[in-house]
Parts: sequence; structure tokens; C-alpha cells
Amino acid sequence: GAVVSQHPSWVICKSGTSVKIECRSLDFQATTMFWYRQFPKQSLMLMATSNEGSKATYEQGVEKDKFLINHASLTLSTLTVTSAHPEDSSFYICSARDPPEGSGRAWDTQYFGPGTRLTVL
Amino acid sequence: AQTVTQSQPEMSVQEAETVTLSCTYDTSENNYYLFWYKQPPSRQMILVIRQEAYKQQNATENRFSVNFQKAAKSFSLKISDSQLGDTAMYFCAFSITEPSAGKSTFGDGTTLTVKP
Repeated sequence: GAVVSQHPSWVICKSGTSVKIECRSLDFQATTMFWYRQFPKQSLMLMATSNEGSKATYEQGVEKDKFLINHASLTLSTLTVTSAHPEDSSFYICSARDPPEGSGRAWDTQYFGPGTRLTVL
Repeated sequence: AQTVTQSQPEMSVQEAETVTLSCTYDTSENNYYLFWYKQPPSRQMILVIRQEAYKQQNATENRFSVNFQKAAKSFSLKISDSQLGDTAMYFCAFSITEPSAGKSTFGDGTTLTVKP
């Protein structure tokens, strides 16, 4: 099956610094990617939808100036946590949408990355 | 807006036995997908099974099957012959087909422990 990678898998940073997380679709082109945030033993909360070549769509309550998303190519979306603070510490997961067009499938498939654990000191 | 409710925060089952995880959802959409995902301790989300709302037949994948009741907006997961490797957090998820295709709403999850 298709693979989505994330880099880094974990990162520790000082409060006030910015951290960039990459999400790559390795063997398919993803015009749409999603960024989720997950606290320990809790559900995935959608932060934003990343669209290739256009601005990301943020969910209500998510600060777009703090969580910058760039989807510059069909295989790469980046999430930058700007001026990170301890409350931003979390597990960030991306997923990539593999549409049915040209695949022989009749449905969308969403592939998840392995996640990035961010710890802000 | 869609909501997904998993009313069982934790469950346990003996190895080789059968367990059913519950999920209900609320939506005004008629076309949508439902999913069960598994998140083991590695935190990698793994798709277990999917169901298209327009299909009346319940989806099955080896030891995993669903009971999809569209009118009741219920979507339970049955795991047969439970294995130790099934220990994980399980999430029920909902996705509409359009316009934000692929955008998913997740339940709060059920932590399943399979006991030897």
C-alpha cells in the first residue's frame, strides 16, 4: 500500500523557537493532505486541510499564524509551529488523500504518516 | 457538522474470544464513508475496515467485521478470534465523500486490551 512519511519522528525544542514538520507521500501524488493533533490517549483532532498550490483551510480555533502550512508540491506538505510553547507539545499526524481517479478504485483512501512527537521545553 | 461517539473508553477480551466495539455517529449527509482505525503503541494509524454508506452489506476483512445500521447511525466493529497483536486503541471515523473528500471526524477511541 501507499506510504506516507513524516520527518522528524520526534523533536525537542526550546520555548519561542519554530519547528518544521514534513509530510511526504512516497508513491502517489496527494493534492490534499491533512494535519491532525493528538494528545495522549485522546482522539485525533483535525487542525487543517492542506491543498497543493493554494492556502490551507484551518479548522475553527486553530491559529493559522501559529501553525503555518505549506503544500508546495504534490508529494510534500509542511507544518511549521511558530514560536512554540510548552502547550504546543503534542503528537502531530499527517495524512494524505489518494483519490480514486486513475487508480481503478471507486473510493478515496487516506494514508497516515507515523506521526511526530513535539516536546517544547 | 458530523459527530462520532465511542461510548466504551476501555475494553478487554481474552485471547481467541470475540469482542465488539461500539460506535454511533450523527450526520445529515446521505453519502459518506465509515472507518475503523487501529492505533497500536507505535502510534501508526492503520486502517482496519471501511464501509460505504450506500452499501447495505456489512464489510468484512478476515477476523474483522462491522454491523452497519444506517437508520440507527450505528457502526460497530467485531473482532473474532482476538489476538495479542490486536491490543491497541481503536478509532471509529466518518468521512463525507464531497466536497472535503477525505476529511475525517474521529471518535474518542476505545482502548482494547487482549489478555493471554
